[in-house]
Amino acid sequence: DTAVSQTPKYLVTQMGNDKSIKCEQNLGHDTMYWYKQDSKKFLKIMFSYNNKELIINETVPNRFSPKSPDKAHLNLHINSLELGDSAVYFCASSEGGGYTFGSGTRLTVV
Amino acid sequence: GQSLEQPSEVTAVEGAIVQINCTYQTSGFYGLSWYQQHDGGAPTFLSYNALDGLEETGRFSSFLSRSDSYGYLLLQELQMKDSASYFCAVRNDYKLSFGAGTTVTVRA
Repeated sequence: DTAVSQTPKYLVTQMGNDKSIKCEQNLGHDTMYWYKQDSKKFLKIMFSYNNKELIINETVPNRFSPKSPDKAHLNLHINSLELGDSAVYFCASSEGGGYTFGSGTRLTVV
Repeated sequence: GQSLEQPSEVTAVEGAIVQINCTYQTSGFYGLSWYQQHDGGAPTFLSYNALDGLEETGRFSSFLSRSDSYGYLLLQELQMKDSASYFCAVRNDYKLSFGAGTTVTVRA
């Protein structure tokens, strides 16, 4: 059973399109996150949600809109995609010190 | 904000011991974590130190000194499968902030 699952694994799309990435965790954790990993492997926090409530928005453009319908799901919708949005996006969840990451979504904007 | 420094690359032979140091500057520090990431994979949790001292988990150990804002990850009896990127990360309120990662290459 996958603990944190995100779909799709790969996403190739044209500039200007809108796309969504879905994330679900079955660990019973209260807190979920979205991270962006760039081509230099730097992992940067985008959003933190605790019990469906937005806690942290780390200066992410408002083209990115997270939605948490319940504490097991955190989806990410991206409007008007730009070339610079190309990256790997990781969903994660945590309870205490250890974070569990999903397998990532490689987004390529062409 | 937070800043973390760790070496960018380390190369060692199978069976060797490698130590990856991490220094950090942050506010609201809860603890220091270490994650391993293989190419194309997800970061996976290795260890978490909230208090000063050494934590040992099999071949991997992690150390924290809060007063020095310093920690390290010790990889012992290196195996080829340990070739990966290793990230230190500080835990604050509702987020983990990562260092730039250390690429460990294990040679036969």
